Amino acid sequence: QQQVKQSPQSLIVQKGGISIINCAYENTAFDYFPWYQQFPGKGPALLIAIRPDVSEKKEGRFTISFNKSAKQFSLHIMDSQPGDSATYFCAANNFNKFYFGSGTKLNVKP
Amino acid sequence: NAGVTQTPKFQVLKTGQSMTLQCAQDMNHEYMSWYRQDPGMGLRLIHYSVGAGITDQGEVPNGYNVSRSTTEDFPLRLLSAAPSQTSVYFCASSRGGIETQYFGPGTRLLVL
Repeated sequence: QQQVKQSPQSLIVQKGGISIINCAYENTAFDYFPWYQQFPGKGPALLIAIRPDVSEKKEGRFTISFNKSAKQFSLHIMDSQPGDSATYFCAANNFNKFYFGSGTKLNVKP
Repeated sequence: NAGVTQTPKFQVLKTGQSMTLQCAQDMNHEYMSWYRQDPGMGLRLIHYSVGAGITDQGEVPNGYNVSRSTTEDFPLRLLSAAPSQTSVYFCASSRGGIETQYFGPGTRLLVL
């Protein structure tokens, strides 16, 4: 049973549009929620992360929205660019163990 | 800094063979971990270590062994390879559990 559920599986967005990826979890003991970006043939790289005591975190064009009561968090990519085309993973941490979502393949059309 | 390095980049094994995937980091990170990545499954934690001499199981530990004799190295051993272990393996390190994880470039393993 997957501890973190991610949707959609794939996403196509026009250049300049907003990309939104959603994740949900059940374990209320999770205390750290990172998002990773992965390009083909490379390892994942941390994009942005949030703790559950904060409802939103913004870094440049990337924003995490966190809803503790709903046990959901999402990544928003504003002004999406073709260079953002990659696979995105959400994750959650509980006592040194990370659980990843299944990934979203984002394709930003020029 | 080289960051996190993994060897080999690609390996083909026959069922029943054993091998060790190497992982090293030069950032003096205490936390190191191994993941496998399969299509549609995301990354799944195999084993992790919070410091030299300390290891623990992750989500999918069966068929794999680890040890951490130094801060820098965290090898992953496949005792008797099975086709189900065909995957891409990533090693990662960080200063602590809830810190930025730095991933290596991965090892692609094919078990025939």
